[in-house]
Amino acid sequence: AQSVTQPDIHITVSEGASLELRCNYSYGATPYLFWYVQSPGQGLQLLLKYFSGDTLVQGIKGFEAEFKRSQSSFNLRKPSVHWSDAAEYFCAVGAGTASKLTFGTGTRLQVTL
Amino acid sequence: DSGVTQTPKHLITATGQRVTLRCSPRSGDLSVYWYQQSLDQGLQFLIQYYNGEERAKGNILERFSAQQFPDLHSELNLSSLELGDSALYFCASSVGSGYTFGSGTRLTVV
Repeated sequence: AQSVTQPDIHITVSEGASLELRCNYSYGATPYLFWYVQSPGQGLQLLLKYFSGDTLVQGIKGFEAEFKRSQSSFNLRKPSVHWSDAAEYFCAVGAGTASKLTFGTGTRLQVTL
Repeated sequence: DSGVTQTPKHLITATGQRVTLRCSPRSGDLSVYWYQQSLDQGLQFLIQYYNGEERAKGNILERFSAQQFPDLHSELNLSSLELGDSALYFCASSVGSGYTFGSGTRLTVV
């Protein structure tokens, strides 16, 4: 069975500081990995995805993530956080592009000015 | 606008009642997925339809059912509602390269 662990429930960073959100997955084959962001009361917006190829993936809003198979990780990074990045971030794993996603429990990001 | 349309956006109903949530996928997307987001359970996969056929089933209660129609829109039916069914229900659609989520239906059972 596939699973996702996001060990950090809540992270606070100062505006302009760098950010790394952790994600570890469990899946027996090559995973399809995603990061989504959810603002309060809103839906889920796709930040980036990894299917294959280059293990460093660029996404929207200046985010990137690196797939590390040896560590079963897919951490999300941003070099300089903006106050508007405050939201909840979800990592997800799937078996393919037409299969269900399994989500982590999310990391709530707070940005201080 | 993600292209996935969910209606209604908000729904308040009483325990024991039945409601229907509707989802229209992006044009051309054949797969529709339903997810439930609650504070205690997080984001849980409920069910997937592909071109009208049930493809996968997750943690969906027997009181819940879904279908996908020939025009590819989908409906999630929730019956004998309980307080614990209060949640945000998301629909997503996909074809090929990934998933797009709708903005969700917030269901409050009182």
